[in-house]
Amino acid sequence: AQKITQTQPGMFVQEKEAVTLDCTYDTSDPSYGLFWYKQPSSGEMIFLIYQGSYDQQNATEGRYSLNFQKARKSANLVISASQLGDSAMYFCAMRGDNTNAGKSTFGDGTTLTVKP
Amino acid sequence: GAGVSQSPRYKVTKRGQDVALRCDPISGHVSLYWYRQALGQGPEFLTYFNYEAQQDKSGLPNDRFSAERPEGSISTLTIQRTEQRDSAMYRCASSLRLAGGTPDTQYFGPGTRLTVL
Repeated sequence: AQKITQTQPGMFVQEKEAVTLDCTYDTSDPSYGLFWYKQPSSGEMIFLIYQGSYDQQNATEGRYSLNFQKARKSANLVISASQLGDSAMYFCAMRGDNTNAGKSTFGDGTTLTVKP
Repeated sequence: GAGVSQSPRYKVTKRGQDVALRCDPISGHVSLYWYRQALGQGPEFLTYFNYEAQQDKSGLPNDRFSAERPEGSISTLTIQRTEQRDSAMYRCASSLRLAGGTPDTQYFGPGTRLTVL
């Protein structure tokens, strides 16, 4: 079974500062992928960043980076230089390559509010 | 290019009626996934297809729910004899590569908001 835990229901950050959104996971699959999605108030699901379990380096995409600590089973999202448009709900998700190959498991999300 | 599209965007129906939700994946994407999202929660897996073959339907809540993708492109999620507890956002996603190898990014559609009265 797969499980994603996001322990921060809500987070606040000042504009232009960095913020870390926490995500821990559990899986029995030997190989897996970790994903972060952004869901603004409009309701769409926007893919942000991906980290493979065997990737040697942490993933980065523009202002987004993933702090992947495999031994601790954590995959935290770091947003640098926060902007007002970053205010949204953020979901961490995972998918294995074995028994859970097709199904993504999502956490309950973190609502981020960027203050001007 | 065009993303994943879903129709209708909003559906209001009366309890006991059947509904069909449509998903048109990104062109060339071989895998297609259905999720259900309750308000304030993350998406919950329902089922997925590689081409036209349904690979895993373990997430379908009961036998009132079914899905098909007969030609390996457009998919339909059907809910028979709808109940109020079926009210939710139903999301479709697609990915370029086959599900089963290295996890590939799933791109989501805008969803269909289903309300059962």
